[in-house]
Amino acid sequence: NAGVTQTPKFQVLKTGQSMTLQCAQDMNHNSMYWYRQDPGMGLRLIYYSASEGTTDKGEVPNGYNVSRLNKREFSLRLESAAPSQTSVYFCASSGYRSYEQYFGPGTRLTVT
Amino acid sequence: AQSVTQPDIHITVSEGASLELRCNYSYGATPYLFWYVQSPGQGLQLLLKYFSGDTLVQGIKGFEAEFKRSQSSFNLRKPSVHWSDAAEYFCAVGAGGATNKLIFGTGTLLAVQP
Repeated sequence: NAGVTQTPKFQVLKTGQSMTLQCAQDMNHNSMYWYRQDPGMGLRLIYYSASEGTTDKGEVPNGYNVSRLNKREFSLRLESAAPSQTSVYFCASSGYRSYEQYFGPGTRLTVT
Repeated sequence: AQSVTQPDIHITVSEGASLELRCNYSYGATPYLFWYVQSPGQGLQLLLKYFSGDTLVQGIKGFEAEFKRSQSSFNLRKPSVHWSDAAEYFCAVGAGGATNKLIFGTGTLLAVQP
């Protein structure tokens, strides 16, 4: 039982490049979330998926897209990376009607 | 709108000393409250949660928190801090409504000196 897994762990991009961050959970959770963490700002919600087949914007969605591929997987795509997207990205999941979220280990992204 | 405030950005305590990290929330109804811990380079781990009932909740690693409705607070405490407790601590509140979103505070970074 791996919980929430994220790939890659580290990534360096040049401005304008694209990439997809992958997230998978094996807890049969309905809801999944993408956050970014920046110093002094805590965790800010980018997008979330309340259930398979649905996605919604969070607090800071601009510059990102998501796909809920199936119940297990929720990916985050940066179409044209910008230095302002340099951050640590966390994926999380929670069960049906539960606020209790379980987090992945994070992806540290640097955009130069 | 719901919000969470952690007034202390950085706290330093001596090993063996007691600890209290402050958290204030803004929420109209009975809140769902959480404390998470993040060790350096790691993801967030749930320390404890409050949904209802006893206002003093126990968590992992010897931590506890007390819900005080009159003060809109959910402070985290530990009687004796260990060096391994050095980490960043986040308070969170359930956003309410039809979603399971959490609203996080900006975190308190705890340093432990020998």
